[in-house]
Amino acid sequence: EPEVTQTPSHQVTQMGQEVILRCVPISNHLYFYWYRQILGQKVEFLVSFYNNEISEKSEIFDDQFSVERPDGSNFTLKIRSTKLEDSAMYFCASSEIGQGTNTEAFFGQGTRLTVV
Amino acid sequence: DAKTTQPNSMESNEEEPVHLPCNHSTISGTDYIHWYRQLPSQGPEYVIHGLTSNVNNRMASLAIAEDRKSSTLILHRATLRDAAVYYCIPLNYGGSQGNLIFGKGTKLSVKP
Repeated sequence: EPEVTQTPSHQVTQMGQEVILRCVPISNHLYFYWYRQILGQKVEFLVSFYNNEISEKSEIFDDQFSVERPDGSNFTLKIRSTKLEDSAMYFCASSEIGQGTNTEAFFGQGTRLTVV
Repeated sequence: DAKTTQPNSMESNEEEPVHLPCNHSTISGTDYIHWYRQLPSQGPEYVIHGLTSNVNNRMASLAIAEDRKSSTLILHRATLRDAAVYYCIPLNYGGSQGNLIFGKGTKLSVKP
């Protein structure tokens, strides 16, 4: 069964450092998303991406965050200067068509980011 | 976005049916009702979705009230693997992308 894969599974970084989280969405999917979940809290929407540009972003997704689809398979989330409060599980998701329609989203297993 | 209300937690015995309720009284006529679940230490997983009619798939059934202000996710025979947080998410079918907005969900415990 096709799946969304994320690497690394766990990333530890020092405060102020840049970090890149990587995702390989399902190959025929066109819509890509990043969510995060701080330990013990809700899953929060960060950003959606379609046709090589951001479609929507939340208030969390400020100038410290960026997304990119550098080639035909990877989808990355970059945090430029990490803060302690960026520590969370980050989930990538993809869907064949937009979530606002009759479809399902597929989530990866997540990358646990720990900022020290 | 439509607001949802779900019980914080529920318990079930293994092999018994489970009915997980969700109130979404502010839902609009073009909102699909999606259910996702999150097993411990995993990403969210799609379960089922529907608009007006009841829906069945291999994982579960979804019963939608006639006025669409509430719905119930039905697991016909709970297994230990069904222990998860279940999220009810209205999602607008309006041609826009929309995005899944997760609430706190219902934490389902399954006892052997």
